Amino acid sequence: EAQVTQNPRYLITVTGKKLTVTCSQNMNHEYMSWYRQDPGLGLRQIYYSMNVEVTDKGDVPEGYKVSRKEKRNFPLILESPSPNQTSLYFCASSSLTGLRYEQYFGPGTRLTVT
Amino acid sequence: QKEVEQNSGPLSVPEGAIASLNCTYSDRGSQSFFWYRQYSGKSPELIMSIYSNGDKEDGRFTAQLNKASQYVSLLIRDSQPSDSATYLCAGPLNTNAGKSTFGDGTTLTVKP
Repeated sequence: EAQVTQNPRYLITVTGKKLTVTCSQNMNHEYMSWYRQDPGLGLRQIYYSMNVEVTDKGDVPEGYKVSRKEKRNFPLILESPSPNQTSLYFCASSSLTGLRYEQYFGPGTRLTVT
Repeated sequence: QKEVEQNSGPLSVPEGAIASLNCTYSDRGSQSFFWYRQYSGKSPELIMSIYSNGDKEDGRFTAQLNKASQYVSLLIRDSQPSDSATYLCAGPLNTNAGKSTFGDGTTLTVKP
């Protein structure tokens, strides 16, 4: 079964305490992305990765880091979280083969920074 | 101007009607567009992709792309209450399949 997993699903933390949200996919997809979703602002891309060791900024990368050391994993790191990073975060993996594009999202991580 | 703009809605249609969702984009180089459905409290799900001008049909769903006018639409025929969700339009820029920009979404309610 095609699956993108994220952990944790819910996280409440305090300002400045480093955290990592993990993301893993089992489809051998080359592309992976992180998004945040906020009311009134829609779904915005934070970072994406085209393959192992290849990452690039999305539309809202400030305050986030990512790494892609293995094809299946794409963790999101908040070195010093702030309250404006309170949001719903989605990881996604995708592939493009010719004109066939598929993308799957993880179940989401709801982060609250106090 | 946002790269991808959607009619913010909300949109309400009676069961059995056609629901029409629209999206405009600013980058003429955009090659492909996608429609996602997101049920409340769930993650987005890719339901349609379209790469060339014209219509693409998949069951009750039809995606339409007009590159000259820079708009893309999604028609849902014979709308069902189970179609009630937020629909998101997205467009990868050019041929970089990694980067994508989403519209804000249109919330559709299908009333029995």
